[in-house]
Amino acid sequence: DAKTTQPPSMDCAEGRAANLPCNHSTISGNEYVYWYRQIHSQGPQYIIHGLKNNETNEMASLIITEDRKSSTLILPHATLRDTAVYYCIVRASGNTPLVFGKGTRLSVIA
Amino acid sequence: GAVVSQHPSRVICKSGTSVKIECRSLDFQATTMFWYRQFPKQSLMLMATSNEGSKATYEQGVEKDKFLINHASLTLSTLTVTSAHPEDSSFYICSARGEGGGSNQPQHFGDGTRLSIL
Repeated sequence: DAKTTQPPSMDCAEGRAANLPCNHSTISGNEYVYWYRQIHSQGPQYIIHGLKNNETNEMASLIITEDRKSSTLILPHATLRDTAVYYCIVRASGNTPLVFGKGTRLSVIA
Repeated sequence: GAVVSQHPSRVICKSGTSVKIECRSLDFQATTMFWYRQFPKQSLMLMATSNEGSKATYEQGVEKDKFLINHASLTLSTLTVTSAHPEDSSFYICSARGEGGGSNQPQHFGDGTRLSIL
C-alpha cells in the first residue's frame, strides 16, 4: 500500500509556480521521497528524489520538512506541458520497487 | 541517460494468443527490472520483480504461469502474456533501476505497451 497522501487534483495558472504537497507521516529513517509524473498514455517520468535535504534540478525543487513527515514538489514556472498526474512515493534504499498511490492530477491552465 | 525502451507500444490480438513484450535498458545495466500494469483511470500496480539470471518474484494475485517473465541479460527483460483474454487488456509498463551511484537510484520507466485483446 502507498505510504503517502496527496490531494487528488490541483489547478495552476500557466507561468505560475505549482506547489504539490505530499504527506508521509510514517516515513522511516532510511526511506527516500521520490516524485514522478505520468502524462496521459505514457510511462512515468522521474522528476526528483531526496532523503532529508532540499533538492533542486532542472525540472523541479523538492522541499522536505525537518521532521520529514511531508514534502512539497515545486515546479517554478508551470507550462501546459506540465499537465500530468504527479506521484509522491517513499521507498527505502535497496532493491524494493516503487509502489504507486493515486497521485495528484495537476491541470495547468492557460 | 537512463533510457528504458519498451516494445511494442501497442498490440491488438485475438483471444487465446500469447503476446511478448520486451523491455531494454539502453544505456545502463539493470540487475533488476519491474513490471507494472495500469487499468484505465487507475494507478500503476506492481506485477513482478525481475532479477537477471533468476526467477521473478510475483506480487500476490498475479499468476506466474499467466505472465511469464524472463530476464536473460542485464539489459533485457521480457513479459509474455500467455493465452491472453479480454480481461488481460491493459497498459503494461516496465521499469529498471541503474546499479551505480548507490541503492537509492531512481527507477526509470518505459513508455508502456497498450495491450488490447479482442
